[in-house]
Amino acid sequence: QKEVEQDPGPLSVPEGAIVSLNCTYSNSAFQYFMWYRQYSRKGPELLMYTYSSGNKEDGRFTAQVDKSSKYISLFIRDSQPSDSATYLCAMSSIQGAQKLVFGQGTRLTINP
Amino acid sequence: NAGVTQTPKFQVLKTGQSMTLQCAQDMNHNSMYWYRQDPGMGLRLIYYSASEGTTDKGEVPNGYNVSRLNKREFSLRLESAAPSQTSVYFCASRGQSKSNQPQHFGDGTRLSIL
Repeated sequence: QKEVEQDPGPLSVPEGAIVSLNCTYSNSAFQYFMWYRQYSRKGPELLMYTYSSGNKEDGRFTAQVDKSSKYISLFIRDSQPSDSATYLCAMSSIQGAQKLVFGQGTRLTINP
Repeated sequence: NAGVTQTPKFQVLKTGQSMTLQCAQDMNHNSMYWYRQDPGMGLRLIYYSASEGTTDKGEVPNGYNVSRLNKREFSLRLESAAPSQTSVYFCASRGQSKSNQPQHFGDGTRLSIL
């Protein structure tokens, strides 16, 4: 079993829809949780970063962490075609040099 | 401000050839990382350097070596390339090694081994 599980999709939704992306994890030592966005032929770009349970909002994006269930989510409101990308969840423990463990990534397409 | 720069962007090798992938960052970051990305596998850590002068193995180090040349540069070497090393390689860097700062990535090197 992988430490971090993420549905690879693909996920296709109409413009303006609310998108929900999710990851589950098995290692209770994970304390830092990140969402990266990756456009085709580009490197991952940090989107959201949190280290506590609950919600964190940034514009149209909301990151949610439920440590009791080992489950994290990313919500995108009013989705735009420019949001079409692969979304990667990543996490690490509180100690050491932040060795990130990534999910497989979910490919998202927003249709105009 | 270039951030993390990787060279080359593309490379084709024959089995058994050697090659060094270069990475440089201009953000004065302490920690640097090498990942590989394969379809359906996400990113997997190959090697990392928590600070200048130190390197450690990640999840998939076999077949690779690294050198932290100075604070800015971290290179990845394939001594005898194998088809299983065909992948996209990403370098990343991070600020203070014991802080909460996230990693910043370059745009990758696409490597094909025939």
